Amino acid sequence: DAGITQSPRHKVTETGTPVTLRCHQTENHRYMYWYRQDPGHGLRLIHYSYGVKDTDKGEVSDGYSVSRSKTEDFLLTLESATSSQTSVYFCAISDRTTGGTDTQYFGPGTRLTVL
Amino acid sequence: EDKVVQSPLSLVVHEGDTVTLNCSYEVTNFRSLLWYKQEKKAPTFLFMLTSSGIEKKSGRLSSILDKKELSSILNITATQTGDSAIYLCAVGTGTASKLTFGTGTRLQVTL
Repeated sequence: DAGITQSPRHKVTETGTPVTLRCHQTENHRYMYWYRQDPGHGLRLIHYSYGVKDTDKGEVSDGYSVSRSKTEDFLLTLESATSSQTSVYFCAISDRTTGGTDTQYFGPGTRLTVL
Repeated sequence: EDKVVQSPLSLVVHEGDTVTLNCSYEVTNFRSLLWYKQEKKAPTFLFMLTSSGIEKKSGRLSSILDKKELSSILNITATQTGDSAIYLCAVGTGTASKLTFGTGTRLQVTL
């Protein structure tokens, strides 16, 4: 398995509070991604990073921000959590240098509940 | 807007049956099509298909890409209860290895 960890694995928080989720990799892969997974919607891309300090928005980026200060860490922040952000969040990594592959490997996920 | 559609949404079969899962896509700048298996945890990678590799096989699982029809199938022969999972199709586009996922097919294999 790819060396990807996410923390915390479970979190319950209240509406209006800030929340930060962490993704840590030991593979030295250039690309990192944050997805959310909801019933009926599948996996949807929130933000992604193509290098240290290089990030871009995905299809559902409103209400989320990210930061990547080191190759191994990619942080997802909910500035003011809302109930619609209750979801399972997955981090993924990819290394395009290996034959140009698009394959992404996923972390174990974080289940976030916003009350 | 890129779109990936999977069918059927769910499927129940008996152990030993053969199943075919479908994936169709409408995207700009197609690079690859990937299949993942998701049990009660993170998706795990099965196959990646590209213009230079349109057919892949691993044990009882196989997949074919039809670039003319903008679709792919995932076949599972001699199904086992351990094949019960959600199977996700994703299409890679652009230069940053971004993936667009379908909503998945939930497969249940019964004894």
